Amino acid sequence: NAGVTQTPKFQVLKTGQSMTLQCAQDMNHNSMYWYRQDPGMGLRLIYYSASEGTTDKGEVPNGYNVSRLNKREFSLRLESAAPSQTSVYFCASSTGTSGSLEQFFGPGTRLTVL
Amino acid sequence: AQSVSQHNHHVILSEAASLELGCNYSYGGTVNLFWYVQYPGQHLQLLLKYFSGDPLVKGIKGFEAEFIKSKFSFNLRKPSVQWSDTAEYFCAVNLVGRRALTFGSGTRLQVQP
Repeated sequence: NAGVTQTPKFQVLKTGQSMTLQCAQDMNHNSMYWYRQDPGMGLRLIYYSASEGTTDKGEVPNGYNVSRLNKREFSLRLESAAPSQTSVYFCASSTGTSGSLEQFFGPGTRLTVL
Repeated sequence: AQSVSQHNHHVILSEAASLELGCNYSYGGTVNLFWYVQYPGQHLQLLLKYFSGDPLVKGIKGFEAEFIKSKFSFNLRKPSVQWSDTAEYFCAVNLVGRRALTFGSGTRLQVQP
């Protein structure tokens, strides 16, 4: 099993450009998450999807949109990138069942917005 | 607002020293607690978790943590650190019934040989 995979690994954008970060998991997990990691701030939840067909805002959703394409895939879109969105983005998944909220993380996407 | 606090931002230890990293949370209900580790250039990995039962939990690589409900704390410990423990450590809390995790800001541990 590959676990949680993310593409791309690195990306540089200019202000105003758009892009989609891709995430897929092969663990048959119900729930998927997008976090951003900034120095000194830990991980902050952007959006999550408790199950296929549902999405919910997290702590820092502004400037982002998500799509839960199917059970395996959960994408994060930046419609008009801003320098404040320079960060490392992590996707995670979990079974989502009660008492089992261990989250498994992907390798991350390092995004720089100029 | 619910929050998770890690008061030690950067810890420097010599090999064989003992480690204790603090984690406090401000949730009022029943919680699940986690410690994750991020080695340089790698993604987060689970060190240990507490859901219920014995408040002293053991994880991988000799780490353990103690849940003290009265203090809203879940401190991470290791009796003797190694150079390979150099990493960033994150405490995370989930309120039972909710799906999202709230992470602390992380503690960067540097172990000197």
